[in-house]
Parts: sequence; structure tokens; C-alpha cells
Amino acid sequence: KQEVTQIPAALSVPEGENLVLNCSFTDSAIYNLQWFRQDPGKGLTSLLLIQSSQREQTSGRLNASLDKSSGRSTLYIAASQPGDSATYLCAVRRYKLSFGAGTTVTVRA
Amino acid sequence: GAGVSQSPSNKVTEKGKDVELRCDPISGHTALYWYRQSLGQGLEFLIYFQGNSAPDKSGLPSDRFSAERTGGSVSTLTIQRTQQEDSAVYLCASSFGQGADEQYFGPGTRLTVT
Repeated sequence: KQEVTQIPAALSVPEGENLVLNCSFTDSAIYNLQWFRQDPGKGLTSLLLIQSSQREQTSGRLNASLDKSSGRSTLYIAASQPGDSATYLCAVRRYKLSFGAGTTVTVRA
Repeated sequence: GAGVSQSPSNKVTEKGKDVELRCDPISGHTALYWYRQSLGQGLEFLIYFQGNSAPDKSGLPSDRFSAERTGGSVSTLTIQRTQQEDSAVYLCASSFGQGADEQYFGPGTRLTVT
């Protein structure tokens, strides 16, 4: 059974600081890995999708890396803003998605 | 085009009642998934439909839970004889295929069993 772990569980940083969120998974036989954002009481917003053959994906201030062989992914958010405050979820896919518990980020103005 | 839609957005029901939750996937998407997000449990897979194949029901927590997908499009998740532990946000997602395609999520249905 796929186990997905996200560290840290919570993170609080001052505005402007870079964020580093970690995700690890136990079974490397995945099709892809997705990073999501979830605001309180809201659904999931997809941020980045990395296919198993890729090493990283970038979108604006967001960059995600994938090391499938070691079962790790890292989401970097550059120059954080208060609007980045949310819970960030990592999910790996075989056919269904297996989710981590998330990292709750607070960016202080 | 339109994204994944779910209805109702909120549902409050009494313990022991049956409830139906609806999901309209993105047009043309052949794969449809149901997930549940409970407080303290995180997000867990419930059931998966792919085209006309038999659904993967391996995530359903009990036989009180069932789902169907009509005409390869709309899906209904039914919970019979609801219990308080069924209270959660039920999320639906769809993707173009079953492989490496991105899953797109609906806004969810928040179910509260009193």
C-alpha cells in the first residue's frame, strides 16, 4: 500500500521568505505526482503535475522536483506572500491518487 | 469549459437516513473518482470508474456505500443508513483517461450527520 508523508505538518514564515515543502512516498511505481492547494472550507486546486518521467515542473513562483527512485518530491514557493497561506497536499498516482496529510502554511505579513 | 460540479454543496441529515451525492464530470472525461476528506483522516480514495469497465470499489468503507455512473457521465454516491462517522467532505474528480492524466476536482459536498 502506498504511503505518502508530508513534512513539516505546519510552517509559519514571514512574508518574502522562500518556502520548502517536502513529500515522500513508499512505492516508486507511480504515473505522476500532483501538488494541490486547499483553502479552508474549499476544494482542491491543482498547482503542478509532474509525470513520472520528469524531474521538475515550474509555474510562476512555484517549482516542484521529483526524484522517483528515492520516493521524494519538494515544492518550492519563492518570495512567499500572505495569499500563499493554505494547506498544500502532495498526491501520487498509480490510477487513483494517494494523498499526504498536507502541510499547513501561514505567511505572516 | 465547465469544471467538475457537485451537488449539493452542503447536506445535513439525521443518523439513519439515506443520502445521495451527485457529481458531473468534465465533458469527455472517461475516468471518475470519489474521495472522502474526514477530519483527522486526510483524503482517502473511495471508488473509481473508467469507461465501461467494472468500477474499482476497493476504497468503499462499508456496504452502506455504493456508487453508480450512468451513461459514462454523471455519478451518484449513495450512503445508506448514515452514521455520524460518515460526516466528511466528499470530493469527486475526473480525468481524460486512467493513466497519467491530471485529475480535476470538484468543490465537494460537505455532509453532516446529526
